Amino acid sequence: AQSVTQLGSHVSVSEGALVLLRCNYSSSVPPYLFWYVQYPNQGLQLLLKYTTGATLVKGINGFEAEFKKSETSFHLTKPSAHMSDAAEYFCAVIHSGTYKYIFGTGTRLKVLA
Amino acid sequence: NAGVTQTPKFRVLKTGQSMTLLCAQDMNHEYMYWYRQDPGMGLRLIHYSVGEGTTAKGEVPDGYNVSRLKKQNFLLGLESAAPSQTSVYFCASIPRLAGPSTDTQYFGPGTRLTVL
Repeated sequence: AQSVTQLGSHVSVSEGALVLLRCNYSSSVPPYLFWYVQYPNQGLQLLLKYTTGATLVKGINGFEAEFKKSETSFHLTKPSAHMSDAAEYFCAVIHSGTYKYIFGTGTRLKVLA
Repeated sequence: NAGVTQTPKFRVLKTGQSMTLLCAQDMNHEYMYWYRQDPGMGLRLIHYSVGEGTTAKGEVPDGYNVSRLKKQNFLLGLESAAPSQTSVYFCASIPRLAGPSTDTQYFGPGTRLTVL
């Protein structure tokens, strides 16, 4: 069965520091992977997605993620955190030909001044 | 273009009461989804629809029913609410351009439901 694991339910970084949010998936077939962001009292917005092709994916707001098949990982990074990045981030997976997305449990990012 | 809207935004029910949550999208999207979000559990799929007149069960369908009589609307019903259904409910939709595997999900703003 496919699943997604996000390591660390809460992550704190200083403003200007590197952001690293971890996501590992389990799948017996090539997955399609997504990162979503949720700001307080809002719905989810797509940050970036990996479907096929280049394994380094760039998204909005300076975020990027790299699909590493050998490590079954899709970690989200941003070189320099901004106060506005404080939010909850969700990793999600879906397989070709299916209709069901599986979401991770989320990582709440706190940015310290 | 309003995107995905959800009605109501907030609701408090007593145990055993019923209610219907409405999700509407004006983007002519084919696929629609209902999720619930609980602390520490992420989003869990309740039911989904791959087209008008079709529905299917997701990960946590018990206690919920859905209908998609019109392409633009996806209704989520609670026939007899229970405290365990206290949650934030999100609706999402996807166009049919490339299918669900690659399309972006567009989320509504959520409905916060409390069952006493």
